[in-house]
Amino acid sequence: EAGVAQSPRYKIIEKRQSVAFWCNPISGHATLYWYQQILGQGPKLLIQFQNNGVVDDSQLPKDRFSAERLKGVDSTLKIQPAKLEDSAVYLCASSLSGAGTEAFFGQGTRLTVV
Amino acid sequence: QQQVKQSPQSLIVQKGGIPIINCAYENTAFDYFPWYQQFPGKGPALLIAIRPDVSEKKEGRFTISFNKSAKQFSLHIMDSQPGDSATYFCAAASGGYQKVTFGTGTKLQVIP
Repeated sequence: EAGVAQSPRYKIIEKRQSVAFWCNPISGHATLYWYQQILGQGPKLLIQFQNNGVVDDSQLPKDRFSAERLKGVDSTLKIQPAKLEDSAVYLCASSLSGAGTEAFFGQGTRLTVV
Repeated sequence: QQQVKQSPQSLIVQKGGIPIINCAYENTAFDYFPWYQQFPGKGPALLIAIRPDVSEKKEGRFTISFNKSAKQFSLHIMDSQPGDSATYFCAAASGGYQKVTFGTGTKLQVIP
């Protein structure tokens, strides 16, 4: 079974620029998550989708971050404009459903804002 | 607001030793407690998980001990190996959609 695919693997941008990350979850997984992992910290949930609906975006900085899940499958996370403190690894994960099922993580996109 | 506290931040043990990583939580609504293992450049991978109606769960060399009254849980790695060197995260989840809150991580190094 193919895992969670993310692209790009690495991205370097200047502050105030925009950037987008893409995620393709495991086939059939209804729940998709975006996490932000700052170096030396645990992942922090940014947004959680159930199919193509948002079930939690309480920690998403909505003034600069946006996310969508197209047709309940692929998802994109966008940052516009980026700040230095957005430098982190952005992890996408998926699970069959949210309720106590294992979440599978992609390798992440390492973003550096200079 | 840190809802899951994890310690120690780093840990060095000799091969064959038993590293222990501790976590504490505050939110009594948490009802699912997974542990994740993360290698450099990789995403976290589920290692073992427990629900609060069980006090201990063992899978291979990994054991979770859970103390519901103290709101604490810990991971023990028996007969640790150099290949176990990684960062370990405890986590806690609640709600119908199981929003997962991660601890701050423990970097484990197992010396041959």
